[in-house]
Amino acid sequence: NAGVTQTPKFQVLKTGQSMTLQCAQDMNHNSMYWYRQDPGMGLRLIYYSASEGTTDKGEVPNGYNVSRLNKREFSLRLESAAPSQTSVYFCASTFGLAGGAYEQYFGPGTRLTVT
Amino acid sequence: GNSVTQMEGPVTLSEEAFLTINCTYTATGYPSLFWYVQYPGEGLQLLLKATKADDKGSNKGFEATYRKETTSFHLEKGSVQVSDSAVYFCALSDPAMNDMRFGAGTRLTVKP
Repeated sequence: NAGVTQTPKFQVLKTGQSMTLQCAQDMNHNSMYWYRQDPGMGLRLIYYSASEGTTDKGEVPNGYNVSRLNKREFSLRLESAAPSQTSVYFCASTFGLAGGAYEQYFGPGTRLTVT
Repeated sequence: GNSVTQMEGPVTLSEEAFLTINCTYTATGYPSLFWYVQYPGEGLQLLLKATKADDKGSNKGFEATYRKETTSFHLEKGSVQVSDSAVYFCALSDPAMNDMRFGAGTRLTVKP
């Protein structure tokens, strides 16, 4: 049982380049989330998917797109990277909706630097 | 809207010292409250949770009580160990919002 996996672990991009962060979970969870973690700001929600085929914006969605490919996989795409998107990105999943009492399970993170 | 404010760090303690990390929240509904811990180079993992007022969450010697009257969920441990060195995040989830709100995190370093 791998839990939540993310690829890549590290990435350096130049301004304007694009990339996709991959996330997969093997716990049969319904909901999946993408967060970014910045110093002094905790985690902020970028997008979430409450079920296969649905996605919704979170607190900071600008500059990102997502795809819920199937129940297991949820990808985050940066179409034209900007230095302000330098951050650590975490994927998470939960059995129910995050508004309930279920805990979220987190991946190990992707450290992205945009120069 | 909902928000979480937690004690800024970093916090440095000696082994076996008493730990308190303060957390207060603002919420319009009846949220569940969580403490997550992040060890170096890893993702967050749940430490404990409480789902209604006056509930006490506990795990690995850590405790926190959901205080609705003071809108607080302070984390405590009676005797910290070097292995407790990590970043601790307070968080809330609200049935009216399909997300979680996290505090900024508090870095704890425990010295032998």
